[in-house]
This record gives sequence, C-alpha cells and structure tokens, in this order.
Amino acid sequence: IAGITQAPTSQILAAGRRMTLRCTQDMRHNAMYWYRQDLGLGLRLIHYSNTAGTTGKGEVPDGYSVSRANTDDFPLTLASAVPSQTSVYFCASSEVLTTYNEQFFGPGTRLTVL
Amino acid sequence: AQTVTQSQPEMSVQEAETVTLSCTYDTSESDYYLFWYKQPPSRQMILVIRQEAYKQQNATENRFSVNFQKAAKSFSLKISDSQLGDAAMYFCAYRSGYTGTASKLTFGTGTRLQVTL
Repeated sequence: IAGITQAPTSQILAAGRRMTLRCTQDMRHNAMYWYRQDLGLGLRLIHYSNTAGTTGKGEVPDGYSVSRANTDDFPLTLASAVPSQTSVYFCASSEVLTTYNEQFFGPGTRLTVL
Repeated sequence: AQTVTQSQPEMSVQEAETVTLSCTYDTSESDYYLFWYKQPPSRQMILVIRQEAYKQQNATENRFSVNFQKAAKSFSLKISDSQLGDAAMYFCAYRSGYTGTASKLTFGTGTRLQVTL
C-alpha cells in the first residue's frame, strides 16, 4: 500500500442519508486529518486526531463526526447529509515530533449531495 | 486565528519562463512553518516546498524557490523554467510551530497556474 487510501473515490448521495468516508494509512503516523475542498475556499480542516483514541474539531466540524479506534483508520461520518456538504474530501496524516510534520494526503473523495 | 491570503486566483506563464505566485499570512506567532502544495488535475496534493520561520535562508527545491519575508509576512513561490507539467492549482499553507500535537494546516484559496507554449 502506498501511503493513504480513501474510499469511495466518488459518491452521489441523497440528502438526509448517512455516509461514512473511509481513510486508511500505512505509515504509522500518529496524527490524521480530514479536510474539505471547495472552489474559491481552498482546503478547510473538519476534524483531526493527535493519536489513536483522541479527536478534535477543526474549522468546519458541524455536521461531521470522526472516530480513531486505531492508528491506521480515521473514518468521517455525515449523519444526515445536506447539499452544502457537496465537496471534495481529503484525508491526511503526519508525524507529530519531526521538524516539519509534513502532511501526506490521500487521493480524495468527491461527494455530491442532492 | 491565522489566515493565509493568495490574491491571484489565476496566473499564466509561457513555457521556459519564470513565474511568481504570491502568498501573505497573518499571525501573532514567531515560530511557524509555511508550505506550498501543488494540486494537478489528478487531484493529488503534492508538497512542493517548505520553510521554517526561524530560517532566514530561502528554501529551494530544484526549479522551485521561495521568497520568505518574515517581517512582511510574505511567502511567494517562484517557478523557474516553467514546464507544461507545472500547470496546476497551487496552495500556500501555514502551521503553528508547536510540536507534539497534530500539525493543523491553514490553507489559502489557491492560485491556478496555466502554462502555455
């Protein structure tokens, strides 16, 4: 496996439905992140996790939840999707004790909520 | 809270020429890191170059270099000898220098670079 995988690649979802975006990394990084990318707004942090068992809110957490049961997986759940959650979602991971703590990104999930 | 501003939504450069993408940021911190990411049409986020605020020397990676002006809070990216493969969206990003915890990035809104023949 090469770094971070995300599933699905893309999804069309009816409003009100529940959806979980999956993210798995094989680099044994402590920290993981979820961003959403919207045209004209760049990438914005939704939730993050310092280490397994802990999570924190980012800039735009409303309507989303995450869990971190182990080091490798960091799923993002939309409990009841709304059209404003149409976006491209990126998962990322990083170490926490290196100089730059460079973030490595997954390939993204394009989600459309109708 | 920190903010990152990219004032050029789109830029164009001819192949083999040089182009500079601008980025300014606002912070009250003295210890931080700055990054430029490239996002080609494949959507993959690729780290291009990085700079530590405490380092006065500008970072360089092959044809990519930065002009880091800490007092002006400016972090521009210069691409020399532009190639067709440089065409992409470029994002400037900031993170706090505090270590030992998640390195949350604050991104700018991006600059779309076109490379013409």
